[in-house]
Amino acid sequence: GQQVMQIPQYQHVQEGEDFTTYCNSSTTLSNIQWYKQRPGGHPVFLIQLVKSGEVKKQKRLTFQFGEAKKNSSLHITATQTTDVGTYFCAGYEGGADGLTFGKGTHLIIQP
Amino acid sequence: DADVTQTPRNRITKTGKRIMLECSQTKGHDRMYWYRQDPGLGLRLIYYSFDVKDINKGEISDGYSVSRQAQAKFSLSLESAIPNQTALYFCATSDLLVGELFFGEGSRLTVL
Repeated sequence: GQQVMQIPQYQHVQEGEDFTTYCNSSTTLSNIQWYKQRPGGHPVFLIQLVKSGEVKKQKRLTFQFGEAKKNSSLHITATQTTDVGTYFCAGYEGGADGLTFGKGTHLIIQP
Repeated sequence: DADVTQTPRNRITKTGKRIMLECSQTKGHDRMYWYRQDPGLGLRLIYYSFDVKDINKGEISDGYSVSRQAQAKFSLSLESAIPNQTALYFCATSDLLVGELFFGEGSRLTVL
């Protein structure tokens, strides 16, 4: 079945440094979504990417979908303490089973 | 009020007990899902339902059952709880097959 690998599992950064998490699928994806989960909270949708090579920005967050639609990344510029949490990618291959989530990247920010 | 409400939010039970986690939503979505979250394992799909008459097994359905009582209600049951079912459980809804998922606040279950 479809597998979605996400790295790194943990990332410690100093406040103000940049952060990137990467997502790789074993199969070509129809689209990919990103979610953020604050500590003690529930996952919250950030964005969906559909097109090959697509790049979308939300303030300091940049999302990319690879040309082959098998990988994606989330980059945060100049991290802030409010960015703390776990970032999940979720890929959709096709068919009725819906999304497959990566295991998430925990972002820890040191002031 | 939350659009997706889960009850109970926390539950401690003993091995062998029957447990039901309930989910209700006011978003009017047809699609509802139950996920399990364990540290380091991300979110894994247990069951999902695309309408009242539709129930589908997900990746890790063994030991669980569900009931879709109405469009707005989707409950998850553990007929005989075991310690490795200790986890955080999330209900989610969407209005499209691959639309944005809206998650509930989660139900933390501990099986002793």
